[in-house]
Amino acid sequence: EPEVTQTPSHQVTQMGQEVILRCVPISNHLYFYWYRQILGQKVEFLVSFYNNEISEKSEIFDDQFSVERPDGSNFTLKIRSTKLEDSAMYFCASSGDIQPQHFGDGTRLSIL
Amino acid sequence: KNEVEQSPQNLTAQEGEFITINCSYSVGISALHWLQQHPGGGIVSLFMLSSGKKKHGRLIATINIQEKHSSLHITASHPRDSAVYICAVASGAQKLVFGQGTRLTINP
Repeated sequence: EPEVTQTPSHQVTQMGQEVILRCVPISNHLYFYWYRQILGQKVEFLVSFYNNEISEKSEIFDDQFSVERPDGSNFTLKIRSTKLEDSAMYFCASSGDIQPQHFGDGTRLSIL
Repeated sequence: KNEVEQSPQNLTAQEGEFITINCSYSVGISALHWLQQHPGGGIVSLFMLSSGKKKHGRLIATINIQEKHSSLHITASHPRDSAVYICAVASGAQKLVFGQGTRLTINP
């Protein structure tokens, strides 16, 4: 069964550094999402992406965040200048039209 | 803004018991999802439903749109069912709003 894959599984970065989290969604899916889960808290929506543009974003997704689909297969989340509070598990998901979302295994981001 | 509440927050049961996890939401939705999160963190979609009932193996999900309530049932529970079960709702747009999860532990 096709899967959403995320790399790296764990990223450790110094505060203030830029980080790029990568995702390969399922190939025929149309909708792409990033979510995050701070340790011990619920999963939160960050951004959704459709037809090569952001379709919706949350209050969390400020100017420090950006998403790209650079080559038709990868879907990336960039955090420009990381803060301690960005430490979390970041999940990528993808879906077809009116279908369940398929999640990747997540990238654990640790900011030092 | 949709609020999603799950109960109970933690549930411990013996192998073989019938399990029920509840989810309530505050605003009308287009679909409700039940997800499973294992200790390593990965999230697996179990069900997506907008009305009625769905069954997959020992798992059953029901939804009552009028009462804004859904339940996830596990029959003949097994230790491998131990995980966090999360209810999430979609309203119009595809983004999901998540509940806080129910931590289920099944003892042999």
